[in-house]
This record gives sequence, structure tokens and C-alpha cells, in this order.
Amino acid sequence: EIVMTQSPATLSVSPGERATLSCRASQSVSSNLAWYQQKPGQSPRLLIYRASTRATGIPARFSGSGSGTEFTLTISSLQSEDFAVYYCQQYNNWWTFGQGTKVEIK
Amino acid sequence: EVQLVESGGGLVQFGRSLRLSCVASGFTFDDYAMHWVRQAPGKGLEWVSGISWNSDSIGYADSLKGRFTISRDNAKNCLYLQMNSLRREDTALYYCAKARVVLSAHDGFDIWGQGTMVTVSS
Repeated sequence: EIVMTQSPATLSVSPGERATLSCRASQSVSSNLAWYQQKPGQSPRLLIYRASTRATGIPARFSGSGSGTEFTLTISSLQSEDFAVYYCQQYNNWWTFGQGTKVEIK
Repeated sequence: EVQLVESGGGLVQFGRSLRLSCVASGFTFDDYAMHWVRQAPGKGLEWVSGISWNSDSIGYADSLKGRFTISRDNAKNCLYLQMNSLRREDTALYYCAKARVVLSAHDGFDIWGQGTMVTVSS
């Protein structure tokens, strides 16, 4: 099973600042990686697929990068609605999620 | 509107069985792989199982040890999860999710239901 490790567990950021979230795979997943956002009481929402492609309707301030084992989700200028938990997911070999990064207001 | 609606959750005793259902609408159900994902209270997401559009390919998380069975009925636009020998650690909100790409075996999930809660008591 491919293990996905996200860091940090919690990220404290002020509105308008940049947030950088990391995700590492225990073995190469090529570019078969997605990012999701989950707000309290809501279902997850797909943000990024194929490591760097924004899903339909996702604002341009969200960007993904990386391949192989190292991936990054960047939120260029945090808005109030962006404070949430973010999960990475690999789909190269079955599917596994990272444990999540909570982005909270500083 | 594209929609997934789960049902079948509830309170169940340790060792008993439960069957979850997910009804899809607003898209061509039999063109897409479908999945179950669970989330224990206050915890992260865990992929449970997935099934290809034609049921030829099925996969399960290693942690389930053969206790769960996924299936689908394309004529009814419905996905199922049969859960046997339930344990306390199976307590979670169970989501149904749709694969992003038509006929793709491996992809992310672009549509999620609201989930159905399963609570296993001793």
C-alpha cells in the first residue's frame, strides 16, 4: 500500500497570505495525485487532479505541482472561505489519502 | 443536477451486518467507476472500496480483510456496500464518490454524496 504523508498537520495563516501544503508518497505515483478541500460538516471537494490541473470551478489561486513522490498545493492568497482541511490522494496504485492538513486562521 | 445519495447507515451491534446503498442521478452512471470512502469521527478520509463501470475490476483497502463487498446495479443507477462482521473501528461516515473520468480505471473523485453514518456498538 502506498502511504501518503502530509505536512504540516496544521498551518496557521493570515488572510491574504500564501499557504504551501506538502504531500509525500512512499513510492512514485507519477502525476496520479489529487487534492481535496473539506470544510466542517461538508463532503470533500475535488480541487486538483493529475497533480496540477484545477477541477471545474476551482479558483486560480489554487495551484498544484510535483510528480513522483513530492507534491505541493499552494493557495496564493488565502480567502476566508479557504480555511479548511486539505487532503492529498494518490490514484496510481489503488487509492490512498494523506492524513490531512488543517489550514487555520492565524 | 449531478447527485449521489447514500442510505442504509445506522446503529448496529458488533459482529452484525449492514448494507449501504448509493443512488446516482444526473449523469450516465454506467460510464463511471464508483467508490466508497469513509471518515471516522474527527479523523481523515480512508478509501474503502472501488468498482469499475462494468464491475470487472474491484478493489478493497487492505484493512478490511475481506469483510466488505462492493457491487453495483447499473440498471438501477445504484452502488452498494455489504459490510459483514462489523467492528467498533468501522464506525464512520461512509461517502459514495464518483470517478472523474469516463471509463477510467484510476482517477480522482469529482462528485461526493453527503454520506451515511454507521455506528457499531458493543
